[in-house]
Amino acid sequence: GENVEQHPSTLSVQEGDSAVIKCTYSDSASNYFPWYKQELGKRPQLIIDIRSNVGEKKDQRIAVTLNKTAKHFSLHITETQPEDSAVYFCAASREGNTPLVFGKGTRLSVIA
Amino acid sequence: DAEITQSPRHKITETGRQVTLACHQTWNHNNMFWYRQDLGHGLRLIHYSYGVHDTNKGEVSDGYSVSRSNTEDLPLTLESAASSQTSVYFCASMGYPPGGELFFGEGSRLTVL
Repeated sequence: GENVEQHPSTLSVQEGDSAVIKCTYSDSASNYFPWYKQELGKRPQLIIDIRSNVGEKKDQRIAVTLNKTAKHFSLHITETQPEDSAVYFCAASREGNTPLVFGKGTRLSVIA
Repeated sequence: DAEITQSPRHKITETGRQVTLACHQTWNHNNMFWYRQDLGHGLRLIHYSYGVHDTNKGEVSDGYSVSRSNTEDLPLTLESAASSQTSVYFCASMGYPPGGELFFGEGSRLTVL
């Protein structure tokens, strides 16, 4: 089955700097790669996703890149703000066939 | 507004007792999932269902069961609670076909003493 590895497990950045979180997956048939943000004590919520037919997707300060050949994808957050502090999860699945498999999460701290 | 709700939000029980966590969604989603969240392990899939009377085992299904008798509900039962099942449990749902955004409930924190 699918296995998703996520790095780093913790990340601290100064406000205004960029943050990058990386994930690798094992199933070459996976074609859907979402990212979820979980604030302290809250439920995970989708912030951005990418499908295997594109290499990059942006939404304001957030971008995701996908390298299918290397089987890795990354989340990029620019101009970080204190409200970006949270745990971020990457996930992968064969869309329409298999449930999402999540990475272990990255705790991002943005220091003002 | 459509939503997904879990109950109870917090529960303390004793080893060996049967526990049921309820999950109810009003989106009319066919696909429902149970994950557990533990520090250092992220979100791990317990069981999932793609429709009424359909249930499937996930990565960490031992000691858990689910049943799907209608579209709205997927209760999770711990047959004989163990301390290793102390965790935060999240129910989630997704539209048809499986894919796209997963909507999570608020979570149920279970402590097994």
